Amino acid sequence: DTGVSQDPRHKITKRGQNVTFRCDPISEHNRLYWYRQTLGQGPEFLTYFQNEAQLEKSRLLSDRFSAERPKGSFSTLEIQRTEQGDSAMYLCASSLEVEREAFFGQGTRLTVV
Amino acid sequence: AQTVTQSQPEMSVQEAETVTLSCTYDTSESDYYLFWYKQPPSRQMILVIRQEAYKQQNATENRFSVNFQKAAKSFSLKISDSQLGDAAMYFCAYRNYGGSQGNLIFGKGTKLSVKP
Repeated sequence: DTGVSQDPRHKITKRGQNVTFRCDPISEHNRLYWYRQTLGQGPEFLTYFQNEAQLEKSRLLSDRFSAERPKGSFSTLEIQRTEQGDSAMYLCASSLEVEREAFFGQGTRLTVV
Repeated sequence: AQTVTQSQPEMSVQEAETVTLSCTYDTSESDYYLFWYKQPPSRQMILVIRQEAYKQQNATENRFSVNFQKAAKSFSLKISDSQLGDAAMYFCAYRNYGGSQGNLIFGKGTKLSVKP
């Protein structure tokens, strides 16, 4: 396992369409995080999981966003009825414990046209 | 709520020289972690250095060191002997200690350019 993997790397979608992103964390890591990064900004926290339980959601995560982590392994982030404001880089990170270093994936860049 | 502020949108340094990136934060907590992350263009974010707030000694990792001033809520990063590969966005980040909160709070970043 070479690190956190995200798929796809790039996604272009039309406004109103649904999109789903996948994140595969480092295999033994039980914590998984999703962040959103817009141009010129630092990453902003969206949500995180400990194993399969979603423990916290940011208010940035509107009802059009849903995240899952079935069986505590990979995670998916779905955005329904995409809007132009959803265009951003979506980053996934994982860590072994809350006090340990979080490792980031390369991100999925979403462009809504 | 905790906040992280990086007041330098861009910095430039000559190769082999030293540069310091600034970061201030606001929190009412006494125990927390502070981090500097590096994000090269089109590449993933990697951890440069981390500091536990309960440790008085400043963290050091090879050419990277921090100046942690807890009372002033300041956490600057010093890069010595700058190399071309140091060119990247640098983000300062904060995280509460323990509990159920594990998310990082990031500043807006500083873009570092290294001149040959």
